[in-house]
Amino acid sequence: SYELTQPPSVSVSPGQTARITCSGDALPKEFAYWYQQKPGQAPMLVMYKDTERPSGIPERFSGSSSGTTVTLTISGVQAEDEGDYYCQTADSSGAYVFGTGTKVTVL
Amino acid sequence: QVQVVQSGPEVKKPGASVKVACEAVGYNLGSFGITWVRQPPGQGLEWMGWISAYDGNAHYSQRLQGRITMTTDTGTNTAYLEVRSLGSDDTAVYYCARSVYVNRLLLPDYWGQGTLVTVSS
Repeated sequence: SYELTQPPSVSVSPGQTARITCSGDALPKEFAYWYQQKPGQAPMLVMYKDTERPSGIPERFSGSSSGTTVTLTISGVQAEDEGDYYCQTADSSGAYVFGTGTKVTVL
Repeated sequence: QVQVVQSGPEVKKPGASVKVACEAVGYNLGSFGITWVRQPPGQGLEWMGWISAYDGNAHYSQRLQGRITMTTDTGTNTAYLEVRSLGSDDTAVYYCARSVYVNRLLLPDYWGQGTLVTVSS
């Protein structure tokens, strides 16, 4: 199976913009998803189909895609956005894989 | 009110099997899928697979295929994940999530609380 690579950590001050990247060879061919996970909680889907926000996800979350890299952007970061973020995509067989995960710290 | 309720923690010996239950509350399991994800302590997420409760078709991670089985029981509105030949690296919190599959998109929306499976001799 293939891999999705993310930076281990991103630090950002409140009100600033956080950008989390995810790189993988499958990304030009398959849609990306993003999950947020807070300590002791189940993951939560925050982005799908590269740029679509599920109902209830704040507008400050946005997604973009360029070649083998997808990016989750959090504009006007708030303290509640702190947590781990994972990208995900599917392979040609319909199986899915998660990225390595990025810890977002709000300073 | 939609909820996904998982069975309680398990402690198993190496080589044994475990079966984790995932009950659909407040909705008809047969109209949705169930995705299974696990997370070893202090580590990242691993996608295990998903099953359509509508037709019973399951799609497994290549890495785990042959050692796991996902099933659903629409009579009791419960999905199950069985993992066989347990090893220490199967120690993890196992999550299930109600999922919608539409236009080649698999979208988990309601998640269970997680089930800790510990493999120890």
